[in-house]
Amino acid sequence: QIQLVQSGAEVKKPGTSVKVSCKASGGTFANYAINWVRQAPGQGLEWMGGIIPVFGTTNYAQKFQGRLTITTDESTTTGYMELIRLTSADTATYYCGAYSNCSISSCPSYYNHMDVWGKGTTVTVSS
Amino acid sequence: QMTQSPSTLSASAGDTVTITCRASQGISSRVAWYQQKPGQAPQLLIYQASTLQIGVPSRFSGSGSGTAFTLTISSLRPDDFATYYCQQYDHYSFTFGQGTRLEIK
Repeated sequence: QIQLVQSGAEVKKPGTSVKVSCKASGGTFANYAINWVRQAPGQGLEWMGGIIPVFGTTNYAQKFQGRLTITTDESTTTGYMELIRLTSADTATYYCGAYSNCSISSCPSYYNHMDVWGKGTTVTVSS
Repeated sequence: QMTQSPSTLSASAGDTVTITCRASQGISSRVAWYQQKPGQAPQLLIYQASTLQIGVPSRFSGSGSGTAFTLTISSLRPDDFATYYCQQYDHYSFTFGQGTRLEIK
């Protein structure tokens, strides 16, 4: 069974950075296209960016360009999201969501949704 | 951009409800629908506009292509009262609708 397990809650000071992990189990990690989606308290879902390992590409929402870095480590089957220059507006629950069958042949046609999600990591930014 | 409506929907168990999303430009069938319950991660219901995810009850259905998409839930059950999001995929980016909170009338 494919699962994504995220790292624990974080409390950060404004101006610092946070790095959240998302460990995958089950399936073939190289075929995971991993995205990061955040949800501020009482608000909707906001896509931040994603990585497609089989194509070696990373894409970021314009809002986060220059502040967000998404990476993966195939040796530990873990994805990472690092957000720098934190402000109180970054207080949110951060989810990793993946499409678990992103092979070179299937991804171009079928990668357009996220079929497995982590449980979320709460990040609180407060002085 | 995905414009989702309504933002809140009141219904009773056994009812059939429809949620609509409209894309700002044609996106073929690259739309998915998710259910989210309080304190939980989103759960995929429908992808490719109308394909039911494995394990999702058949009372959930999706339709549409181009710019207009709908999620229909028939014979509402108590467990269906949650928030629903549409999502589009275009040019390697995802965009979510604003969400629809389905509440018990």
